[in-house]
Amino acid sequence: DGGITQSPKYLFRKEGQNVTLSCEQNLNHDAMYWYRQDPGQGLRLIYYSQIVNDFQKGDIAEGYSVSREKKESFPLTVTSAQKNPTAFYLCASRWGGLNTGELFFGEGSRLTVL
Amino acid sequence: LAKTTQPISMDSYEGQEVNITCSHNNIATNDYITWYQQFPSQGPRFIIQGYKTKVTNEVASLFIPADRKSSTLSLPRVSLSDTAVYYCLVGDSLNTNAGKSTFGDGTTLTVKP
Repeated sequence: DGGITQSPKYLFRKEGQNVTLSCEQNLNHDAMYWYRQDPGQGLRLIYYSQIVNDFQKGDIAEGYSVSREKKESFPLTVTSAQKNPTAFYLCASRWGGLNTGELFFGEGSRLTVL
Repeated sequence: LAKTTQPISMDSYEGQEVNITCSHNNIATNDYITWYQQFPSQGPRFIIQGYKTKVTNEVASLFIPADRKSSTLSLPRVSLSDTAVYYCLVGDSLNTNAGKSTFGDGTTLTVKP
């Protein structure tokens, strides 16, 4: 079945460590997105990419990095520079790069810093 | 960017119709309005999208007045399983920051028996 796969579902990290969250889609979508969600809050955009080898910062990009080397993959690295990384991370994709189509979301990755 | 404002929470009872309104006063000419539903610890799910007037699908209706400065999601005859957070999303203009999709804080709908 087509869809978006995020891994791992749960991740624990010690302070000072970098971690990478995986996001893979087989929907042949051009655009991919990373959001962060804190308890009881809405989604905040971290990074997005409309085409391979190109990406833009969202509203809260500091302390995060991404790459888009392949159309189907958009990994997110949470660096040690992110001061409060404990959150629920959601990856999404959409056909084309414009806001006229449905966003498809993965099941999320929950990161906890110990 | 078109900022959206929604009520923080709403309560309803099973079988009632629920209307959730979203304000987007600075919506751009080419922006679409999209609504998503999110259950705890899951990714949001698309409900409906529209540009103007009225759009209806098998689960909801979306009403957009002529000035497009607001929109109303209508859920007919809600059930307990409709308890969720509902987000209104207004896209950037096709000509600027195209592709950037920013969510608001959402409306928590609680359906009671």
